[in-house]
Amino acid sequence: DADVTQTPRNRITKTGKRIMLECSQTKGHDRMYWYRQDPGLGLRLIYYSFDVKDINKGEISDGYSVSRQAQAKFSLSLESAIPNQTALYFCATSMGQIPLHNTGELFFGEGSRLTVL
Amino acid sequence: ILNVEQSPQSLHVQEGDSTNFTCSFPSSNFYALHWYRWETAKSPEALFVMTLNGDEKKKGRISATLNTKEGYSYLYIKGSQPEDSATYLCASDMEYGNKLVFGAGTILRVKS
Repeated sequence: DADVTQTPRNRITKTGKRIMLECSQTKGHDRMYWYRQDPGLGLRLIYYSFDVKDINKGEISDGYSVSRQAQAKFSLSLESAIPNQTALYFCATSMGQIPLHNTGELFFGEGSRLTVL
Repeated sequence: ILNVEQSPQSLHVQEGDSTNFTCSFPSSNFYALHWYRWETAKSPEALFVMTLNGDEKKKGRISATLNTKEGYSYLYIKGSQPEDSATYLCASDMEYGNKLVFGAGTILRVKS
């Protein structure tokens, strides 16, 4: 089983609908992230959380909200989906800061492909 | 927004060729440089995380170097194999907080 699990993996919805993408992890990491990937662009950070009570906006947070329900769960919501939110969404986790944990690498889920018609 | 640039955008090579890609990033406030390999329909996976100027890391046929003063990193693949076909992403951590800024990636296709 994957250490970082995203649901749903694929979703087609209509403009104006509310959508939630869920992410759960078994790695025991404090830090969780939501990224969006569009063709020709790098992964762009939407929101991130360094622990359960911490929520921070990323580069492109407008139109999105998040909830960190527990250390292991971080969900992304689109309150009213629009077509330009069609993208591949990745959840990721990390252990913490270099050099404290001597790593810093991100561990990604398998992605959630969202299409907004 | 800090820009991380990768070149080339895509690369087609023959099996056995050696190849390299470039990642350039702002050299101010540098903290760490990450390389990820992303195969189609899979999750991106970390190859290297480098922090020190002059760092060189190696994993099998893949190696990477880092120059933080001039703001670039090279990824080398020696003797490319079809299974090396993937998108290679670099990302710069400029804010001591593991908030990475990603480049657009280099798509590598290795023909047998």
